[in-house]
Amino acid sequence: EDQVTQSPEALRLQEGESSSLNCSYTVSGLRGLFWYRQDPGKGPEFLFTLYSAGEEKEKERLKATLTKKESFLHITAPKPEDSATYLCAVQVDPGGGADGLTFGKGTHLIIQP
Amino acid sequence: DTAVSQTPKYLVTQMGNDKSIKCEQNLGHDTMYWYKQDSKKFLKIMFSYNNKELIINETVPNRFSPKSPDKAHLNLHINSLELGDSAVYFCASSQMGTKNIQYFGAGTRLSVL
Repeated sequence: EDQVTQSPEALRLQEGESSSLNCSYTVSGLRGLFWYRQDPGKGPEFLFTLYSAGEEKEKERLKATLTKKESFLHITAPKPEDSATYLCAVQVDPGGGADGLTFGKGTHLIIQP
Repeated sequence: DTAVSQTPKYLVTQMGNDKSIKCEQNLGHDTMYWYKQDSKKFLKIMFSYNNKELIINETVPNRFSPKSPDKAHLNLHINSLELGDSAVYFCASSQMGTKNIQYFGAGTRLSVL
């Protein structure tokens, strides 16, 4: 069975304090790994997708990396507006592209001013 | 313009009732999905659908049925509602292909009394 495990479950940082969120996965064949951000009362908002080990993507203070077993979401000098739940998800092969994503339980990130 | 929109945003109903949640996307995507987010915020795929096939998560009770009048809409019908159906339901859409990035609606909070 495909599994996605995120750690830590919750993380509290001071503004400007950099850190990393982890997503480890066990799947039969990875088609893509996705990072989403979810704010309270809203739907997941797409951040990044990674397709092969060694790939990296950046957006503002966020950088996502991928290995054969895990992905990291690095957050550099975070601001209070970065507070949210960050979700990791995988799509597997064979899936024909129409299969849904398998999500982890998320990391609840709080950035204190 | 909202890319993926769901109605209603909140739905409160009694056990045993039948209800529907509507979803529309204006992204021109060919695949739509329904996810359930439980009280622990865990997102789980229920259905994925494009004009060729419906893929059903085997754990979804047959009281739940997706109905697609056209490519831009995927509605969720729920019969004989139970207390355990209380959750937030998210619709998403994507374009099948190499990237297959899924975009989510804002969610419908269903409360069964």
